[in-house]
Amino acid sequence: AAGVIQSPRHLIKEKRETATLKCYPIPRHDTVYWYQQGPGQDPQFLISFYEKMQSDKGSIPDRFSAQQFSDYHSELNMSSLELGDSALYFCASSLSWRDGQYFGPGTRLTVL
Amino acid sequence: QKEVEQNSGPLSVPEGAIASLNCTYSDRGSQSFFWYRQYSGKSPELIMSIYSNGDKEDGRFTAQLNKASQYVSLLIRDSQPSDSATYLCAPQAVGGAGSYQLTFGKGTKLSVIP
Repeated sequence: AAGVIQSPRHLIKEKRETATLKCYPIPRHDTVYWYQQGPGQDPQFLISFYEKMQSDKGSIPDRFSAQQFSDYHSELNMSSLELGDSALYFCASSLSWRDGQYFGPGTRLTVL
Repeated sequence: QKEVEQNSGPLSVPEGAIASLNCTYSDRGSQSFFWYRQYSGKSPELIMSIYSNGDKEDGRFTAQLNKASQYVSLLIRDSQPSDSATYLCAPQAVGGAGSYQLTFGKGTKLSVIP
């Protein structure tokens, strides 16, 4: 079965640089979620999109923005990177509230 | 502030035993409840879902839900070393239009001893 695809899998950036993370949801899933997981922490919800519109916002810094495109893939744009942004970033997709959210393999971002 | 409480562990059980993982949540608006398994450095994997009070069994896993007590649990029967992972409890509530927010607990680390 198709899964959520994320790219890149690993990313190394310098402070104050920008980064773009991509997510391709499971086919026919209409909702995409972004999470950030720091070392030893539980995943923290950042933002979600339903049918290409932002539907919810969590603890996403103002330096971050995201969008969902017509083909349902989503991109998380991160600017003015800080050391504290180093984390695993997961994308998840869902079809309905009963099905739960299915997570991609994640992008490990390291900010030096 | 939505809160999800889990014992952080580590919870150690011998191979073949039953592992019991517990979770309490604060948001009475939570409509569905999920358990995720996460191996170190990997993404959360959905293993169980439950929506109604009572028990739900799926293979070696049984989820139990008591909405009045705001309590959900996961039992793993015949525990295997491959079950060693962190288990995340995640109640889900209605968020914005069309989306549903998961609130994760900090997870219980399970170690199955051969």
